[in-house]
Amino acid sequence: ETGVTQSPTHLIKTRGQQVTLRCSSQSGHNTVSWYQQALGQGPQFIFQYYREEENGRGNFPPRFSGLQFPNYSSELNVNALELDDSALYLCASSLEQTRTDTQYFGPGTRLTVL
Amino acid sequence: EDKVVQSPLSLVVHEGDTVTLNCSYEVTNFRSLLWYKQEKKAPTFLFMLTSSGIEKKSGRLSSILDKKELFSILNITATQTGDSAIYLCAVPNSGYSTLTFGKGTMLLVSP
Repeated sequence: ETGVTQSPTHLIKTRGQQVTLRCSSQSGHNTVSWYQQALGQGPQFIFQYYREEENGRGNFPPRFSGLQFPNYSSELNVNALELDDSALYLCASSLEQTRTDTQYFGPGTRLTVL
Repeated sequence: EDKVVQSPLSLVVHEGDTVTLNCSYEVTNFRSLLWYKQEKKAPTFLFMLTSSGIEKKSGRLSSILDKKELFSILNITATQTGDSAIYLCAVPNSGYSTLTFGKGTMLLVSP
């Protein structure tokens, strides 16, 4: 296990609702990236936080937003949920901004939107 | 836009077989290529490749990179049922340290 934790493990929401997913990074890691993995697809980059600032964003609409806290844990918020938001949401933490080989993934949150 | 294509998308083999998984990529400012194994949820890191022609090996798994032809292969010898998983290939994005993944190869090893 990597030491990266995510909560909740899974949840079910209905269209139009809002959801918050949480990630605790591995001790000492200051960079957190969020990914969305739809069924049968590879993970797709949503955004990254480095020292509490958004450091980059993938091709996701503004209703996907995030935060990073002083302890480097992070939240992913999704507003106005759509059916296509159903996916596994993964967070990955790393020690420095550029060390991609040391990205450690959490177990993910499985979101189902009905 | 960075692009990673993996093949085959799925594969079924018998225990003891050898398999080769393929990954081709297009990326601006190539730095490295990474392989991950995803069994249930969290992808776990297998290899990072940066130089052509140098094989990385871990037990029955090995991987090699060809930077001229822009591809990598992951070999698994003497497969076991525990090798059943999705194998993901990824390249770091230009500009910041996150990853573009392929769709993955779903490997099923039957007893």
